[in-house]
Amino acid sequence: QVQLVQSGTEVKKPGASVKVSCRASGYRFDSYYIHWIRQVPGQGHEWMAWINPYTGGTNYAQNYQGRVTMTRDKSITTAYMELNSLKADDTAVYFCARCRHASGCDLWGQGTLVAVSS
Amino acid sequence: IQMTQSPSFLSASVGDRVTITCRASHDIGTFLAWYQQKPGKAPNLLIYASSTLQDGVPSRFSGSGSGTGFTLTISGLQPEDFATYFCQQLSTYPLTFGGGTGVEIK
Repeated sequence: QVQLVQSGTEVKKPGASVKVSCRASGYRFDSYYIHWIRQVPGQGHEWMAWINPYTGGTNYAQNYQGRVTMTRDKSITTAYMELNSLKADDTAVYFCARCRHASGCDLWGQGTLVAVSS
Repeated sequence: IQMTQSPSFLSASVGDRVTITCRASHDIGTFLAWYQQKPGKAPNLLIYASSTLQDGVPSRFSGSGSGTGFTLTISGLQPEDFATYFCQQLSTYPLTFGGGTGVEIK
């Protein structure tokens, strides 16, 4: 079955870090970039970054430069998003998605809620 | 690139024809996708490359446009279509999204 499965809800204090996983199955992992997109509750979507699972190359949105790190483990077809120095306004649902310029984001993980509160 | 979507909310009846518009601040060619999202769920791709229907998506959904102006049309709204719809440009990084249109039952 073609799917992306993310890790579960995280509750963190301000200043902490969070690492969310995204496991791919049912397709060739290194053939599609994995993107991370977040959605603040009741608001729109914000693109954060992509990782090329084949090379490990990354591209980060300027808003997250220096605070986010994308990695992957090809042996277990899993991508990771680590966000540091968490603030209350980082509270959001974080999605991983398989995306291509010409064909959109056709496969999404179920989303991971990251709640940041003191 | 800023994506401006309108309306932000609409109320419609089953069987209605619904049109949602997305405008890009710069020319994005046809690198435009449309998604449907229901509460607590991940987005679902409906249309890519402005007008190409994703596999498995009903033909009542259609998209058009190029450059800076795009439209999503639902011809004959069905009960399962009541959801939020949003556009996304995939022309230039950072990828950006419209603010969404909530479609509610009248």
